[in-house]
Amino acid sequence: AQRVTQPEKLLSVFKGAPVELKCNYSYSGSPELFWYVQYSRQRLQLLLRHISRESIKGFTADLNKGETSFHLKKPFAQEEDSAMYYCALKGGGYQKVTFGTGTKLQVIP
Amino acid sequence: DTGVSQNPRHKITKRGQNVTFRCDPISEHNRLYWYRQTLGQGPEFLTYFQNEAQLEKSRLLSDRFSAERPKGSFSTLEIQRTEQGDSAMYLCASSPPHTDYGYTFGSGTRLTVV
Repeated sequence: AQRVTQPEKLLSVFKGAPVELKCNYSYSGSPELFWYVQYSRQRLQLLLRHISRESIKGFTADLNKGETSFHLKKPFAQEEDSAMYYCALKGGGYQKVTFGTGTKLQVIP
Repeated sequence: DTGVSQNPRHKITKRGQNVTFRCDPISEHNRLYWYRQTLGQGPEFLTYFQNEAQLEKSRLLSDRFSAERPKGSFSTLEIQRTEQGDSAMYLCASSPPHTDYGYTFGSGTRLTVV
């Protein structure tokens, strides 16, 4: 079975402070991991994929297989980063993606 | 092509009625997915189509739920004999034929069963 855990429902940080949104997963094989974001009144959209090792809007995420984690980080939070963030996992040759329960990021001006 | 389109945006129905939702994916995307999201939860997988074939189906999808994608283009999700527990946001997503691409989501259909 595959499971994604996001331990924080809400994370509040001041503008300019570093951000780390935690994601841990449970999966026995080699997973594909994603971060999705949903801004207020917008649809859910892909933020980044671990396989591409890219930085989007200043966010990065590194897959740590030893700790089974895929934390999302940004060195300096901006007000426009306020949104709901979901970590997601795909594995086992299936197309099903398992989502975490999400973390609401609130950037305080 | 303006992305993944879902209709209707909102649906209020009485318990016991049947409802049908439609999803139009991005035209180049051969993969289509249905998810359900309730308050405070992440999206939960319901089913997956590759072209017109329904290849994966969650155990969440009871026999009251049926999904089709008859010509490999748009898809419909039907819920028969709706129950209050069916109240949720139903999300459709599509993706191109590459395994490492993420999804493009629609805006969803919010179902309220009264």
